[in-house]
Amino acid sequence: EAQVTQNPRYLITVTGKKLTVTCSQNMNHEYMSWYRQDPGLGLRQIYYSMNVEVTDKGDVPEGYKVSRKEKRNFPLILESPSPNQTSLYFCASSLFGSVSYNEQFFGPGTRLTVL
Amino acid sequence: KNQVEQSPQSLIILEGKNCTLQCNYTVSPFSNLRWYKQDTGRGPVSLTIMTFSENTKSNGRYTATLDADTKQSSLHITASQLSDSASYICVVREGDNTDKLIFGTGTRLQVFP
Repeated sequence: EAQVTQNPRYLITVTGKKLTVTCSQNMNHEYMSWYRQDPGLGLRQIYYSMNVEVTDKGDVPEGYKVSRKEKRNFPLILESPSPNQTSLYFCASSLFGSVSYNEQFFGPGTRLTVL
Repeated sequence: KNQVEQSPQSLIILEGKNCTLQCNYTVSPFSNLRWYKQDTGRGPVSLTIMTFSENTKSNGRYTATLDADTKQSSLHITASQLSDSASYICVVREGDNTDKLIFGTGTRLQVFP
């Protein structure tokens, strides 16, 4: 089944404890992206990747890191999480970032709470 | 500033009734407009994608319209079902090269029997 998977789905952690949220897609998509969703706000892009070894900042990159060493995986790293990073995180992928009509597929979400 | 605004914020209707959700945008350059359905606790799922040259597009009981001149879109749901209860998010793609999406805050629809 074609899908975007994220792990973990739920995570409670404490301030300053490094964590990684994994994202994997099995559709051979070039483009991958991370978003966060907060109440009253639309999804906001954190980082995106047009292809392997190509990453760029989105609208809210502060406090996050990403890497794209292989096509299928795009982990989101929080080196020193803070309470303001408590949010619902979505990973998404699409076939080609440069093609306007292609659809983005979203993962199931990771609910992160930082105490 | 590129923005997407949706109305109403929330809507309650009875099963079997129709409803229309609104979206206004100020994104430039405009590439296309999408409507997503997001069930509680799940990721958004695409309903339609429309370019500036498409005025109307249907997906089952969902019909989206786009007026590129006034920068407005609507999503009409016909004969609503309980399973239509979800958030509906209007999303505009900015430009043609980076797949950057600008998201509205969504309309929360609740369908009651």
